[in-house]
Amino acid sequence: EDKVVQSPLSLVVHEGDTVTLNCSYEVTNFRSLLWYKQEKKAPTFLFMLTSSGIEKKSGRLSSILDKKELFSILNITATQTGDSAVYLCAVVYGGATNKLIFGTGTLLAVQP
Amino acid sequence: NAGVTQTPKFQVLKTGQSMTLQCAQDMNHNSMYWYRQDPGMGLRLIYYSASEGTTDKGEVPNGYNVSRLNKREFSLRLESAAPSQTSVYFCASNRGQTMNTEAFFGQGTRLTVV
Repeated sequence: EDKVVQSPLSLVVHEGDTVTLNCSYEVTNFRSLLWYKQEKKAPTFLFMLTSSGIEKKSGRLSSILDKKELFSILNITATQTGDSAVYLCAVVYGGATNKLIFGTGTLLAVQP
Repeated sequence: NAGVTQTPKFQVLKTGQSMTLQCAQDMNHNSMYWYRQDPGMGLRLIYYSASEGTTDKGEVPNGYNVSRLNKREFSLRLESAAPSQTSVYFCASNRGQTMNTEAFFGQGTRLTVV
């Protein structure tokens, strides 16, 4: 069965801490992995990863993919209260017809 | 910058009633999607449309129908609502004809079926 599993389910940290969020997957014919941030409403795009070992970076956020071990991590350094959100991982896979599965997300709470 | 616009934002239906959720994007995107989000389940794909005139089932299509009216608009219809369809519904779009690109989401429709 194709699946995407995120861990931890939830996390509480203090401002300034560094966090690492995990996304592992088991799918057939992997194509890409995407990270989204969901605050109150609509998810917003963070990164798309297709190649192993190449870090994507945007400010304090970075992400990397390991296609051999079938996982990705999202790092957030020097966390701020504005980083509080649900972080969603999605995997695109399949042959002629793409499919997509989202993980259930990691709820991050950053306390002042 | 409107992006992806969904209407309505909130709706309460009685079991058996029908309704259509509307979605429009102004980014000239080819692909459009309907997801539902339930606690502990993540986002699940209901239907998608890779281009104008085509639609395909996603992971949870039962109880829903869709129409890709034109390139801008993609509607989701519940013919006979059931309590199990209580959820938050998101419409999304992306530029290509595959899912391999950044998707832009609407603000969601919170639907309650009583």
